[in-house]
Amino acid sequence: GNSVTQMEGPVTLSEEAFLTINCTYTATGYPSLFWYVQYPGEGLQLLLKATKADDKGSNKGFEATYRKETTSFHLEKGSVQVSDSAVYFCALSDRGGGFKTIFGAGTRLFVKA
Amino acid sequence: GAGVSQSPSNKVTEKGKDVELRCDPISGHTALYWYRQSLGQGLEFLIYFQGNSAPDKSGLPSDRFSAERTGGSVSTLTIQRTQQEDSAVYLCASSSWTSGSSGDTQYFGPGTRLTVL
Repeated sequence: GNSVTQMEGPVTLSEEAFLTINCTYTATGYPSLFWYVQYPGEGLQLLLKATKADDKGSNKGFEATYRKETTSFHLEKGSVQVSDSAVYFCALSDRGGGFKTIFGAGTRLFVKA
Repeated sequence: GAGVSQSPSNKVTEKGKDVELRCDPISGHTALYWYRQSLGQGLEFLIYFQGNSAPDKSGLPSDRFSAERTGGSVSTLTIQRTQQEDSAVYLCASSSWTSGSSGDTQYFGPGTRLTVL
């Protein structure tokens, strides 16, 4: 069955550091891939997505590239800010899985000033 | 409203009581999900409705949990004989399936915080 594995947290960085949160997946078909973010005290919201191989999703300075050959969708940001402190969830959805979205366990990011 | 709404926002109940949580998805969205999120934890999938198909109930933790979706719109999650370990935030999300796509964005409601005393 489909699954998503993302790096365990928490991840603690200083402001302006480079961020990578790893995400790999297993899917029977050709899934769409997503990163969702949950800021403290707020609801989950979509951060970015990619729907086919080699697509790059981007938003708010974050990027992730759909790598079919390595079944990965790593989240990156060149220079994090304190306001990026949140929990980040990698997810996939595909036709083979009945379109049910599968979430990773989440990675908590702390950014220190 | 334009987004997913959930009610109540907070529910405090006594152990052993039944509770009902409501979700109003975005109009026209065919897919509806329920998740549970305990403090500081990830998302625990509970149940998934997609159009007129039989719901995927594989995530329901026990037979005390049930959910229905009336008329393809509003959904109610019912927890019978609540236990303290049921305390969590219950999240609802909806999405629209687009023919030819492989998956669509989920839009989450604000959640219902359930506390079982």
